Amino acid sequence: SQQGEEDPQALSIQEGENATMNCSYKTSINNLQWYRQNSGRGLVHLILIRSNEREKHSGRLRVTLDTSKKSSSLLITASRAADTASYFCATDGLYGNKLVFGAGTILRVKS
Amino acid sequence: DTEVTQTPKHLVMGMTNKKSLKCEQHMGHRAMYWYKQKAKKPPELMFVYSYEKLSINESVPSRFSPECPNSSLLNLHLHALQPEDSALYLCASSRGKYGTANTGELFFGEGSRLTVL
Repeated sequence: SQQGEEDPQALSIQEGENATMNCSYKTSINNLQWYRQNSGRGLVHLILIRSNEREKHSGRLRVTLDTSKKSSSLLITASRAADTASYFCATDGLYGNKLVFGAGTILRVKS
Repeated sequence: DTEVTQTPKHLVMGMTNKKSLKCEQHMGHRAMYWYKQKAKKPPELMFVYSYEKLSINESVPSRFSPECPNSSLLNLHLHALQPEDSALYLCASSRGKYGTANTGELFFGEGSRLTVL
């Protein structure tokens, strides 16, 4: 399976601190994506990083990808209470149209 | 606001009922997906339609029957479900550009929460 494994499973921080979540996967990929899910709702796409990219930024988000280690990290800087959610990495295998999600990290930002 | 609309938001059904979940998008996307998500678990892929043709079936039991009547609509027909099928069912779409192996960004609906009694 190319499913990503994420750590930590849960993370609790204070508002204003940075949050880092990690994702590892098993097989070659075309791209890796990160999604956020507020409790019981649909997923929202955050950022996509292609297999030939090493780092990408979007606002307060920074994503890195290390294909040699088959791992990625998501950094959220200056966290806010509204960032409280579950965060999932998702990998797209070489044959496309099959986005498989990792176990997810539950982030709680305390105000 | 999501541009993928799922109905109903909540559904309670008995094990002998037949019901359907519906999903609609008007973004011109040509790939549509059904995912199943249990509490505190990641979404699990069930089906993928590409250009209105079923391209991926992740060994889903036949009591779940997908249908893609046109490029904007995706249905999931439910029959003789089990209580363990209770979950949040998520529909998603992506551009699904023909001829490329890259899956781009997925746009998700808010889900249909299904309870099987």
